[in-house]
Amino acid sequence: ETGVTQSPTHLIKTRGQQVTLRCSSQSGHNTVSWYQQALGQGPQFIFQYYREEENGRGNFPPRFSGLQFPNYSSELNVNALELDDSALYLCASSLRGDLNIQYFGAGTRLSVL
Amino acid sequence: GQNIDQPTEMTATEGAIVQINCTYQTSGFNGLFWYQQHAGEAPTFLSYNVLDGLEEKGRFSSFLSRSKGYSYLLLKELQMKDSASYLCAVRGSGGGKLIFGQGTELSVKP
Repeated sequence: ETGVTQSPTHLIKTRGQQVTLRCSSQSGHNTVSWYQQALGQGPQFIFQYYREEENGRGNFPPRFSGLQFPNYSSELNVNALELDDSALYLCASSLRGDLNIQYFGAGTRLSVL
Repeated sequence: GQNIDQPTEMTATEGAIVQINCTYQTSGFNGLFWYQQHAGEAPTFLSYNVLDGLEEKGRFSSFLSRSKGYSYLLLKELQMKDSASYLCAVRGSGGGKLIFGQGTELSVKP
């Protein structure tokens, strides 16, 4: 149990729609990172937020956007969904510092039809 | 480019020892992590290496050689519950993003 919670657990959308995924950080953590994990692959970094500011972005198009709130919870928004967006979306929280170990939530399984 | 390589699949016997290797080429290095992921579940943190050498934590040990761009995860006294995917990840410099390998699917058989 990492203390990182994500909602919803599963979601089905159709191509072209928009989706919002949510993440609550572990207590005391000020950094949230989002990853996309395709079946049989390792997670791919989407972006990271630190104290409500984007703090690094992976190779994902602008239709992937995010927010971090004052309580350090976070949202991932994806516009104009494509079939290839079907994946497990993982949120990880951490406390910025020397170790900066990321603790993951169980993820949201998104299916785009 | 950034590249992390690990075997796709491994099989081992209950009670035995298994070593999962990981090689990496990344722009910048600020630590190497191992995570365990059971099917349909969150990746769970196992170990962290930033200096060369061996880190031991119970049945799990992790080794790092920065000059060789090489790490391994050693699992001793294998149990059936150790059947999972093992993810090697490198943290680059200038931020906290993790670059993951594709994962090694370990099957432990009786």
